[in-house]
Parts: sequence; structure tokens; C-alpha cells
Amino acid sequence: QVQLQESGPGLVKPSQTLSLTCTVSGASISSGPYYWTWIRLPAGKGLEYIGRVYTSGSTNYNPSLKSRVTISLDTSKNQVSLNLRSVNAADTAVYYCARAVGGSGWHELDYWGQGILVTVSS
Amino acid sequence: DIQMTQSPSALSASVGDRVTITCRASETTSRYLNWYQVRPGKAPKLLISGAFSLQTGVPSRFSGSGSGTDFTLTISSLQPEDFATYYCQQSYSAAVTFGQGTRLDIK
Repeated sequence: QVQLQESGPGLVKPSQTLSLTCTVSGASISSGPYYWTWIRLPAGKGLEYIGRVYTSGSTNYNPSLKSRVTISLDTSKNQVSLNLRSVNAADTAVYYCARAVGGSGWHELDYWGQGILVTVSS
Repeated sequence: DIQMTQSPSALSASVGDRVTITCRASETTSRYLNWYQVRPGKAPKLLISGAFSLQTGVPSRFSGSGSGTDFTLTISSLQPEDFATYYCQQSYSAAVTFGQGTRLDIK
């Protein structure tokens, strides 16, 4: 059974960097064809795609966040990381990591973590 | 970006009711359309992929239809555990996008 677990600080100060880790069990992040994806859910709003990293290490980001985001793989720890720079209050949200099926599939997000609430406040 | 528009944004219904949620894409997504259920404090759950392929373990009261730009999610007979928020998502383009969500409340 594939499981994903987000971890990191629940409170980040404005202008600082939000750093989260997604630990994956039951699957190797270096085995494809999968995209390891970050998504967020701000309170009172809808789901927002942040970006994803393929098993090869190639990335794709939401154009509205691209200048501030880095997503990467740590294959030695089987973890996916998210860094979001220069945060502000609008970045307050529940952050999820999820696995998307690549290849000839429909690229659906078939496994998700429980999510972690990150608040941006001084 | 492909914009996804869901309707309604909120819906009140009773146990046993049949409900339909629609999702419209700003351009074709072929069948690259997926549906998710989100409940507070729980991991989002994939219900349907490829517009109408029901995921293993998802009750058959859930069904999806459509292709191109217009899609629907139908719940044939609402159960108490179905009261949640539902999202459509296009995975046709690399920068995936979601609908704004439909909150389904108990009447």
C-alpha cells in the first residue's frame, strides 16, 4: 500500500521560505512512470496545483508560482521536497503531496497524503 | 492555462437523493478529466479517472460521463458519508488545473 506523509513547520514568517517534505512508503520515488506532485488548499478556496517532479527529476510548475517554487527528489530517503520562497499570508494553506500516474494513464492523482496546515504569520 | 468551471458551487441534498455536478473546460481535455472527494482532515480521494473510469473500491453509486469540454459526476443515491466537497481536475496539460469545487451539504 502506497502511503505519503507530509512534514515540516506549521508556522512560517512572511518573506521566509516554506520547506516541506513528503515521505513515501510502499513505492520507490525513482521508479516510474509517476509524477510526485504538490497541491495546496487555502481556507475557503479550491485546490491549487503547485508543481510536480517526474521520476527522472524533470519538473513542471504552476506558472503563477514558478518564480518562487522548487520541487526535488531525495532518492536516498525516498522523499519529495517542496520549497516556496518569499511567502506571504496568501500562501497559508493545507499542503498535500500526491502521486500522479504518468505514461499511458490519465495522469490522475491516485495517492495523497493527509496534508499539513502551514500558516504564514509573524 | 485550461480553466475548469464547476457548477453548482454548493448544493444541499438529502440522503437517498440523486445529484449531478457539472464541470466545463475552457478548451478540450479529451478524457483527461478526474474527480476527487475532499473531506476535512482526510486525504483527498480519487473517485473517477479518464472521465468515467471508477476507481477500485469506490461505490457504484458514483459515475462520471463526458468528453472534450463537458463532464458530469453523478451520485445516484446519496449516503451520509458522501457529504463532502468534490473537485474536477484536468490532466490534459502538464500544468493541471482544478475546478473551484462543489460543496455538498445535508439538507
